[in-house]
Amino acid sequence: EAAVTQSPRNKVAVTGGKVTLSCNQTNNHNNMYWYRQDTGHGLRLIHYSYGAGSTEKGDIPDGYKASRPSQENFSLILELATPSQTSVYFCASGDLGEQYFGPGTRLTVL
Amino acid sequence: TQTVSQSDAHVTVFEGDSVELRCNYSYGGSIYLSWYIQHHGRGLQFLLKYYSGNPVVQGVNGFEAEFSKSDSSFHLRKASVHWSDSAVYFCAARNYGGSGNKLIFGTGTLLSVKP
Repeated sequence: EAAVTQSPRNKVAVTGGKVTLSCNQTNNHNNMYWYRQDTGHGLRLIHYSYGAGSTEKGDIPDGYKASRPSQENFSLILELATPSQTSVYFCASGDLGEQYFGPGTRLTVL
Repeated sequence: TQTVSQSDAHVTVFEGDSVELRCNYSYGGSIYLSWYIQHHGRGLQFLLKYYSGNPVVQGVNGFEAEFSKSDSSFHLRKASVHWSDSAVYFCAARNYGGSGNKLIFGTGTLLSVKP
């Protein structure tokens, strides 16, 4: 079965601090995605990747960077965290019209 | 602008009832359509998808969806719901051949199944 894992599962950060969210997939999918989910906004795409070494901006990339060092790993980086980035973050991998999601990371920025 | 709309924010039914969750899309050309389920505190799980062929597609746990080009719809149905079907359901679309392999998600429908 498809497997996407995320770490940490919960994170409390301070404003201005650096946060790195990690994602690992064992599906051998080329494409990986980072979303955030907020009440009233549904799922919004932050960054995505076509494969190792590639990152692309999604619909709301401001304040976020991404890194895809390998087929399996895709990180989301908040260089200077702000309270507006408090959210639940989901990583996904997939091809065509089918994506497999991780369990999510709940990030609180104080 | 390509959109996916789910007109019902919340649907409540009783266990054993049938249910239909609605999804409409606005896309040009060939399209992948899919449904996902999200239980409270969990990630989204893929249920089913349609690209071509038989417009009625079967998914896991007795779910099915029907594609209609004329109505621009991809409604999800289940003949007899169980309490464990209580969750948020998301419809998603991807323009085949479009850039970015990106899915566009609807805002979700919360399905509450009462005993």
